[in-house]
Amino acid sequence: TQLLEQSPQFLSIQEGENLTVYCNSSSVFSSLQWYRQEPGEGPVLLVTVVTGGEVKKLKRLTFQFGDARKDSSLHITAAQTGDTGLYLCAGARGSYIPTFGRGTSLIVHP
Amino acid sequence: DTEVTQTPKHLVMGMTNKKSLKCEQHMGHRAMYWYKQKAKKPPELMFVYSYEKLSINESVPSRFSPECPNSSLLNLHLHALQPEDSALYLCASSQGTGYEQYFGPGTRLTVT
Repeated sequence: TQLLEQSPQFLSIQEGENLTVYCNSSSVFSSLQWYRQEPGEGPVLLVTVVTGGEVKKLKRLTFQFGDARKDSSLHITAAQTGDTGLYLCAGARGSYIPTFGRGTSLIVHP
Repeated sequence: DTEVTQTPKHLVMGMTNKKSLKCEQHMGHRAMYWYKQKAKKPPELMFVYSYEKLSINESVPSRFSPECPNSSLLNLHLHALQPEDSALYLCASSQGTGYEQYFGPGTRLTVT
């Protein structure tokens, strides 16, 4: 059973479109991280959210942590080709090792 | 500085070879990790070191042998690997288990 359900698994869009990636669980997390990974490279930490209802913005990326700290979303406005990559969410519960979602593979076409 | 370094970047080895992957961090993190990742899949946890002691081994075959010489360094010794072991091997570190992880660039391993 996957602790963290991430959707969609694949996304192929045109430059300029908006998109949202979801990360859902039945468990409460103490914090949740979002990463972006380009092919052949390691995941790069984008943001950590810790407070229920928290919203963080990173340029055109908006991250939200659900009120109950069981889910999170990543919204990208006006996607660019440089946004192409694998997006991973990871949820931490106390001192346990964070659990990763299955990832969303995003391709942004010019 | 949030950098984790890994060497080598690429490694090709035969099934009878012995090689080692190296990882280093200077963030004062006390937890370090090895992950294995296949294309377009999430990283799979292999080992966790906490305060230089092995705390988690996710039933990894003995042909993979981790070592933590000190709080900044993490090695993964490889011996008698199989072609299916070909993958991207990622090292990560964090302030402690349960904290956000910082990943290195990975070692692309090909077993021939």
